[in-house]
Amino acid sequence: RKEVEQDPGPFNVPEGATVAFNCTYSNSASQSFFWYRQDCRKEPKLLMSVYSSGNEDGRFTAQLNRASQYISLLIRDSKLSDSATYLCVVKAFYGGATNKLIFGTGTLLAVQP
Amino acid sequence: DAGVIQSPRHEVTEMGQEVTLRCKPISGHNSLFWYRQTMMRGLELLIYFNNNVPIDDSGMPEDRFSAKMPNASFSTLKIQPSEPRDSAVYFCASTFTGRDQPQHFGDGTRLSIL
Repeated sequence: RKEVEQDPGPFNVPEGATVAFNCTYSNSASQSFFWYRQDCRKEPKLLMSVYSSGNEDGRFTAQLNRASQYISLLIRDSKLSDSATYLCVVKAFYGGATNKLIFGTGTLLAVQP
Repeated sequence: DAGVIQSPRHEVTEMGQEVTLRCKPISGHNSLFWYRQTMMRGLELLIYFNNNVPIDDSGMPEDRFSAKMPNASFSTLKIQPSEPRDSAVYFCASTFTGRDQPQHFGDGTRLSIL
Protein backbone atom coordinates (compact mmCIF):
# COMPACT_ATOMS: atom_id res chain seq x y z
CA ARG A 1 0.00 0.00 0.00
CA LYS A 2 1.29 3.45 -0.90
CA GLU A 3 1.93 5.86 1.96
CA VAL A 4 -0.15 8.56 0.29
CA GLU A 5 -3.00 7.59 -2.03
CA GLN A 6 -4.97 9.76 -4.39
CA ASP A 7 -7.49 9.17 -7.15
CA PRO A 8 -5.42 9.83 -10.31
CA GLY A 9 -8.41 11.17 -12.24
CA PRO A 10 -8.67 12.79 -14.66
CA PHE A 11 -11.42 14.99 -13.36
CA ASN A 12 -13.06 16.78 -16.28
CA VAL A 13 -15.30 19.61 -15.06
CA PRO A 14 -16.91 22.66 -16.66
CA GLU A 15 -15.88 26.18 -15.73
CA GLY A 16 -17.61 27.33 -12.59
CA ALA A 17 -18.01 23.85 -11.16
CA THR A 18 -17.02 22.81 -7.67
CA VAL A 19 -14.61 19.90 -7.51
CA ALA A 20 -13.23 17.94 -4.55
CA PHE A 21 -10.08 15.85 -4.30
CA ASN A 22 -9.44 13.30 -1.60
CA CYS A 23 -6.28 11.79 -0.23
CA THR A 24 -5.50 9.17 2.41
CA TYR A 25 -2.24 8.56 4.21
CA SER A 26 -1.05 5.49 6.05
CA ASN A 27 1.46 6.82 8.60
CA SER A 28 -0.38 7.91 11.73
CA ALA A 29 2.75 9.76 12.84
CA SER A 30 2.35 12.22 9.99
CA GLN A 31 2.75 15.76 11.21
CA SER A 32 2.25 18.23 8.40
CA PHE A 33 0.15 18.25 5.29
CA PHE A 34 0.19 20.20 2.06
CA TRP A 35 -1.40 20.45 -1.35
CA TYR A 36 0.95 21.16 -4.22
CA ARG A 37 -0.01 22.02 -7.77
CA GLN A 38 2.00 20.92 -10.81
CA ASP A 39 1.40 22.28 -14.29
CA CYS A 40 2.42 20.24 -17.32
CA ARG A 41 6.21 20.18 -17.70
CA LYS A 42 6.70 22.44 -14.69
CA GLU A 43 7.87 22.01 -11.13
CA PRO A 44 5.52 21.32 -8.21
CA LYS A 45 4.48 24.49 -6.41
CA LEU A 46 2.96 24.85 -2.98
CA LEU A 47 -0.75 25.56 -3.23
CA MET A 48 -1.57 25.58 0.47
CA SER A 49 -0.75 23.98 3.79
CA VAL A 50 -3.48 21.97 5.52
CA TYR A 51 -4.21 22.71 9.15
CA SER A 52 -6.11 20.60 11.67
CA SER A 53 -8.97 23.07 11.90
CA GLY A 54 -9.31 23.32 8.14
CA ASN A 55 -8.32 26.39 6.18
CA GLU A 56 -9.42 28.43 3.21
CA ASP A 57 -7.57 30.49 0.65
CA GLY A 58 -9.93 32.21 -1.74
CA ARG A 59 -11.69 29.55 -3.80
CA PHE A 60 -9.66 26.75 -2.21
CA THR A 61 -10.57 24.95 1.03
CA ALA A 62 -8.47 22.24 2.63
CA GLN A 63 -9.63 19.85 5.34
CA LEU A 64 -7.79 17.34 7.51
CA ASN A 65 -9.28 14.42 9.42
CA ARG A 66 -6.53 12.89 11.55
CA ALA A 67 -8.74 10.13 12.93
CA SER A 68 -9.51 8.86 9.43
CA GLN A 69 -6.09 9.88 8.04
CA TYR A 70 -7.82 11.74 5.28
CA ILE A 71 -7.14 15.07 3.54
CA SER A 72 -9.33 16.93 1.08
CA LEU A 73 -9.12 19.89 -1.25
CA LEU A 74 -12.22 21.71 -2.50
CA ILE A 75 -12.07 24.11 -5.43
CA ARG A 76 -15.09 26.35 -5.95
CA ASP A 77 -15.98 28.26 -9.12
CA SER A 78 -13.25 26.46 -11.05
CA LYS A 79 -11.33 28.39 -13.72
CA LEU A 80 -9.58 27.20 -16.85
CA SER A 81 -6.32 28.17 -15.15
CA ASP A 82 -6.99 25.64 -12.39
CA SER A 83 -6.23 22.83 -14.85
CA ALA A 84 -3.19 21.03 -13.42
CA THR A 85 -2.18 18.02 -11.36
CA TYR A 86 -2.84 18.37 -7.64
CA LEU A 87 -0.42 16.54 -5.35
CA CYS A 88 -1.28 15.53 -1.81
CA VAL A 89 1.83 15.74 0.37
CA VAL A 90 2.49 14.48 3.88
CA LYS A 91 5.44 15.07 6.18
CA ALA A 92 6.05 12.30 8.66
CA PHE A 93 8.48 11.85 11.51
CA TYR A 94 11.11 9.23 10.77
CA GLY A 95 13.31 9.28 13.85
CA GLY A 96 15.70 12.17 13.23
CA ALA A 97 14.56 12.68 9.64
CA THR A 98 11.84 15.24 10.10
CA ASN A 99 11.96 16.97 6.74
CA LYS A 100 11.03 14.15 4.43
CA LEU A 101 7.90 14.74 2.35
CA ILE A 102 5.85 11.91 0.88
CA PHE A 103 4.06 12.81 -2.34
CA GLY A 104 0.94 11.22 -3.71
CA THR A 105 0.89 10.43 -7.41
CA GLY A 106 -1.41 13.37 -8.07
CA THR A 107 -4.92 14.00 -9.35
CA LEU A 108 -5.28 15.50 -12.81
CA LEU A 109 -7.88 18.25 -13.17
CA ALA A 110 -9.04 19.49 -16.57
CA VAL A 111 -11.44 22.43 -16.50
CA GLN A 112 -13.41 22.71 -19.73
CA PRO A 113 -14.74 25.96 -21.22
CA ASP B 1 14.20 36.69 -4.20
CA ALA B 2 15.91 33.96 -6.17
CA GLY B 3 14.33 30.55 -5.90
CA VAL B 4 16.04 27.20 -6.21
CA ILE B 5 18.29 27.29 -9.26
CA GLN B 6 19.03 24.17 -11.26
CA SER B 7 21.27 23.62 -14.25
CA PRO B 8 21.21 22.57 -16.96
CA ARG B 9 17.51 22.90 -17.85
CA HIS B 10 17.84 20.21 -20.50
CA GLU B 11 20.47 17.55 -21.08
CA VAL B 12 20.63 15.05 -23.92
CA THR B 13 23.51 12.61 -23.95
CA GLU B 14 24.43 9.12 -25.03
CA MET B 15 24.32 6.18 -22.70
CA GLY B 16 27.55 5.51 -20.89
CA GLN B 17 28.34 9.19 -20.49
CA GLU B 18 28.69 10.90 -17.13
CA VAL B 19 25.92 13.34 -16.28
CA THR B 20 26.18 16.03 -13.59
CA LEU B 21 23.16 17.98 -12.43
CA ARG B 22 23.59 21.09 -10.31
CA CYS B 23 21.48 22.85 -7.72
CA LYS B 24 21.70 26.08 -5.74
CA PRO B 25 19.17 26.11 -2.88
CA ILE B 26 17.40 29.19 -1.58
CA SER B 27 19.76 31.20 0.61
CA GLY B 28 19.29 30.34 4.27
CA HIS B 29 17.59 27.00 3.68
CA ASN B 30 19.33 24.16 5.48
CA SER B 31 17.72 21.12 3.83
CA LEU B 32 18.14 20.09 0.21
CA PHE B 33 16.37 17.31 -1.68
CA TRP B 34 16.88 15.59 -5.02
CA TYR B 35 13.82 14.04 -6.71
CA ARG B 36 13.22 12.17 -9.95
CA GLN B 37 9.90 12.26 -11.78
CA THR B 38 8.67 9.93 -14.51
CA MET B 39 5.21 9.16 -15.85
CA MET B 40 5.39 5.60 -14.58
CA ARG B 41 6.72 6.18 -11.06
CA GLY B 42 5.69 9.74 -10.27
CA LEU B 43 7.85 11.88 -7.98
CA GLU B 44 10.50 9.87 -6.13
CA LEU B 45 12.84 11.18 -3.43
CA LEU B 46 16.41 10.15 -4.24
CA ILE B 47 18.40 11.71 -1.40
CA TYR B 48 18.27 14.58 1.01
CA PHE B 49 20.72 16.63 3.04
CA ASN B 50 20.41 18.50 6.33
CA ASN B 51 23.12 21.09 6.96
CA ASN B 52 25.12 19.66 4.04
CA VAL B 53 25.09 16.13 5.52
CA PRO B 54 23.31 13.30 3.64
CA ILE B 55 20.50 12.05 5.87
CA ASP B 56 18.57 9.57 3.73
CA ASP B 57 19.85 8.14 0.46
CA SER B 58 17.57 5.12 0.42
CA GLY B 59 15.95 6.35 -2.77
CA MET B 60 19.16 6.40 -4.78
CA PRO B 61 18.55 3.70 -7.38
CA GLU B 62 22.02 2.18 -7.53
CA ASP B 63 25.73 2.86 -7.26
CA ARG B 64 25.74 4.70 -10.56
CA PHE B 65 24.08 7.60 -8.74
CA SER B 66 25.94 9.83 -6.30
CA ALA B 67 25.18 13.18 -4.70
CA LYS B 68 27.30 15.71 -2.88
CA MET B 69 26.74 18.95 -1.03
CA PRO B 70 30.14 20.55 -0.45
CA ASN B 71 28.63 23.71 1.04
CA ALA B 72 25.29 25.27 1.96
CA SER B 73 24.80 26.86 -1.46
CA PHE B 74 25.60 24.06 -3.88
CA SER B 75 24.80 20.43 -4.56
CA THR B 76 25.41 18.00 -7.41
CA LEU B 77 23.76 14.79 -8.53
CA LYS B 78 25.96 12.62 -10.72
CA ILE B 79 25.10 9.62 -12.84
CA GLN B 80 28.00 7.53 -14.11
CA PRO B 81 27.59 5.67 -16.39
CA SER B 82 24.19 6.87 -17.58
CA GLU B 83 21.56 4.52 -19.02
CA PRO B 84 18.39 5.17 -21.07
CA ARG B 85 16.21 4.25 -18.08
CA ASP B 86 17.66 7.23 -16.21
CA SER B 87 15.73 9.54 -18.55
CA ALA B 88 13.44 11.65 -16.38
CA VAL B 89 12.97 15.11 -14.93
CA TYR B 90 15.21 15.67 -11.93
CA PHE B 91 14.09 18.25 -9.39
CA CYS B 92 15.99 19.87 -6.58
CA ALA B 93 14.08 21.36 -3.64
CA SER B 94 15.07 23.19 -0.45
CA THR B 95 13.48 24.19 2.85
CA PHE B 96 14.11 25.26 6.42
CA THR B 97 14.07 22.55 9.06
CA GLY B 98 10.72 22.82 10.76
CA ARG B 99 7.44 21.09 11.20
CA ASP B 100 5.26 23.08 8.83
CA GLN B 101 7.87 24.26 6.36
CA PRO B 102 7.07 23.34 2.75
CA GLN B 103 9.69 22.59 0.14
CA HIS B 104 10.42 24.92 -2.74
CA PHE B 105 11.32 23.32 -6.06
CA GLY B 106 13.65 24.36 -8.84
CA ASP B 107 12.56 24.31 -12.47
CA GLY B 108 14.05 20.83 -12.93
CA THR B 109 16.49 19.28 -15.36
CA ARG B 110 14.94 17.31 -18.20
CA LEU B 111 17.39 14.47 -18.87
CA SER B 112 17.32 12.27 -21.95
CA ILE B 113 19.76 9.40 -22.31
CA LEU B 114 19.91 8.03 -25.84
